[in-house]
Amino acid sequence: EVHLVESGGGLVQPGRSLRLSCVASGFSLDDYAMHWVRQVPGKGLEWVSGISWNSGSIGYADSVKGRFTISRDNARNSLYLHMNTLRPEDTALYYCAKDRGTGLVLYYFDYWGQGTLVTVSS
Amino acid sequence: DIQMTQSPSSLSASVGDRVAITCRASQSISVYLNWYRQKAGKAPELLLYAASTLQSGVPSRFSGSGSGTVFTLTIYSLQPEDSAIYYCQQSYSIPRTFGQGTKLEIK
Repeated sequence: EVHLVESGGGLVQPGRSLRLSCVASGFSLDDYAMHWVRQVPGKGLEWVSGISWNSGSIGYADSVKGRFTISRDNARNSLYLHMNTLRPEDTALYYCAKDRGTGLVLYYFDYWGQGTLVTVSS
Repeated sequence: DIQMTQSPSSLSASVGDRVAITCRASQSISVYLNWYRQKAGKAPELLLYAASTLQSGVPSRFSGSGSGTVFTLTIYSLQPEDSAIYYCQQSYSIPRTFGQGTKLEIK
């Protein structure tokens, strides 16, 4: 059974950094692309970033480009999101999601984690 | 970026009704359109992909159609457990944009 478990969220001051992790089980991470999606409580879904199976293709939303870095360690079955220069508007529940394909487009997100909450506030 | 616009933003219907949610893309995305459902307090879950293909385990009362820029999610014979927010998402290009969501309430 596929499981995705996010961690690393918490309360952080504006301008500081945080690293989110997503540990996958039930499948081999290196067969699929992975993504981060966030959701401000009570609001809609926003795609944040995605990484192809071999890290050869990476994409970011304009709202986080230059501040966030996605990475993966297939040997550890783990996905990461390094978040720098955090802003109050980055406050959200961050989900990791498994893609059905190996690249960043054409397929769909077939499994989601339960999310980790990031709160950016002084 | 491709903009995804859903309508209506919310709707209310009774058990047994049929409802339809529309999703419009700002440019053609062929059939690279997915639908997700998010129940209160839960993570989103995949309902349909490639505009009309039902994800394994999803009841057949869910149906999708469309191509190009206009897509429809139809739910036949509404059940109480269908109360949720429904999102469309394009998988044609990066960024992988979502619609703003449609909140479905069961009367």
